[in-house]
Amino acid sequence: DARVTQTPRDKVTEMGQEVTMRCQPILGHNTVFWYRQTMKQGLELLAYFRNRAPLDDSGMPKDRFSAEMPDATLATLKIQPSEPRDSAVYFCASGLVPPGTEAFFGQGTRLTVV
Amino acid sequence: AQSVAQPEDQVNVAEGNPLTVKCTYSVSGNPYLFWYVQYPNRGLQFLLKYITGDNLVKGSYGFEAEFNKSQTSFHLKKPSALVSDSALYFCAVSPGNTGFQKLVFGTGTRLLVSP
Repeated sequence: DARVTQTPRDKVTEMGQEVTMRCQPILGHNTVFWYRQTMKQGLELLAYFRNRAPLDDSGMPKDRFSAEMPDATLATLKIQPSEPRDSAVYFCASGLVPPGTEAFFGQGTRLTVV
Repeated sequence: AQSVAQPEDQVNVAEGNPLTVKCTYSVSGNPYLFWYVQYPNRGLQFLLKYITGDNLVKGSYGFEAEFNKSQTSFHLKKPSALVSDSALYFCAVSPGNTGFQKLVFGTGTRLLVSP
């Protein structure tokens, strides 16, 4: 049963600390998305990759957030330094071109910055 | 830029009655449209999609959605609601002319089905 795996599931950290969230997309998928979900803003697209190359990261605060795909089986989202306003659930999703294929979501990482 | 509007924060329906969750979209070119459902503390689960062809698409758990190009709408429907359908529902759009890119979601509609 193929699925997107995200780690950790929950993370509590102090303000100013670095946070790294990891995502293992479904094997063979060539598109990876990072979303952030908050009560106030809903689901925000932070960044997405095609064949490991970033296509659009305009939704991501550049000064503290970075997203990478070191290889086809791993996507990372880093926040440095973290702030309380970064508290949210972060979702990774993967999909496959050709066009129109649906995205499959991971369970999310619940981040709390205190 | 593409966008999705889900005008209702919450929809209440009695079990056994039909339900409709509304979605309108804005995108350049032909859209790819999707519905997802989210249960508490879970990720989003795919329900159905419209890419091309028949305007009425059928998906998981008895859900269906109707694509209306003139009204730029993609409303989610089910003939008979179940209490277990209570969840958060998201509509999403991707611009079809550029392929599967930039999947943008609406704000979500909470569906509450009462026994």
